[in-house]
Amino acid sequence: EAGVAQSPRYKIIEKRQSVAFWCNPISGHATLYWYQQILGQGPKLLIQFQNNGVVDDSQLPKDRFSAERLKGVDSTLKIQPAKLEDSAVYLCASSPTGSLGELFFGEGSRLTVL
Amino acid sequence: GNSVTQMEGPVTLSEEAFLTINCTYTATGYPSLFWYVQYPGEGLQLLLKATKADDKGSNKGFEATYRKETTSFHLEKGSVQVSDSAVYFCALSGGSNYKLTFGKGTLLTVNP
Repeated sequence: EAGVAQSPRYKIIEKRQSVAFWCNPISGHATLYWYQQILGQGPKLLIQFQNNGVVDDSQLPKDRFSAERLKGVDSTLKIQPAKLEDSAVYLCASSPTGSLGELFFGEGSRLTVL
Repeated sequence: GNSVTQMEGPVTLSEEAFLTINCTYTATGYPSLFWYVQYPGEGLQLLLKATKADDKGSNKGFEATYRKETTSFHLEKGSVQVSDSAVYFCALSGGSNYKLTFGKGTLLTVNP
């Protein structure tokens, strides 16, 4: 079974530029998550989708971050404009319905903002 | 709100040593508890879980017991190996959408 795919693995941009990350979850998983992991900290949930609807985006900085999950499969997370403090690893995860917290993570996309 | 506090690292052990990584939590209701592990260059993966009080989760020689009276879920292994070197995250799942809240992670290095 293929795992969660993310791209790009690494991205370096300058502040005020924009960036987009892509995620393809495990086939059949209804729930998709984007987490932000800053160095030395645990992952923090940015947004959770159930199929193509948003379940929780309470910690998403909506003035600069946006995410969509078209057709309830792939998802894109965008940052525009980027700030220095956005430097982090962006993790995508998916889970089947009713998993009670058992998530399957991708390898992450590491963003460096200069 | 929900929160997880885990032992500060890094932790450095010799092969075959005993491992304990402490984890305590604050939550409303009855959360499920997890340990996730991140090996170098890889994504996070579930190590073990427990869904109710007094449950013991176990996998790959690691164990953790859900202690409601002390709100703890400490990770233990009797004899660590070099291949156990990784970052370990304690987490809880609670609320209507089973939101996963992570601790800060503990880096474990095992030397031969």
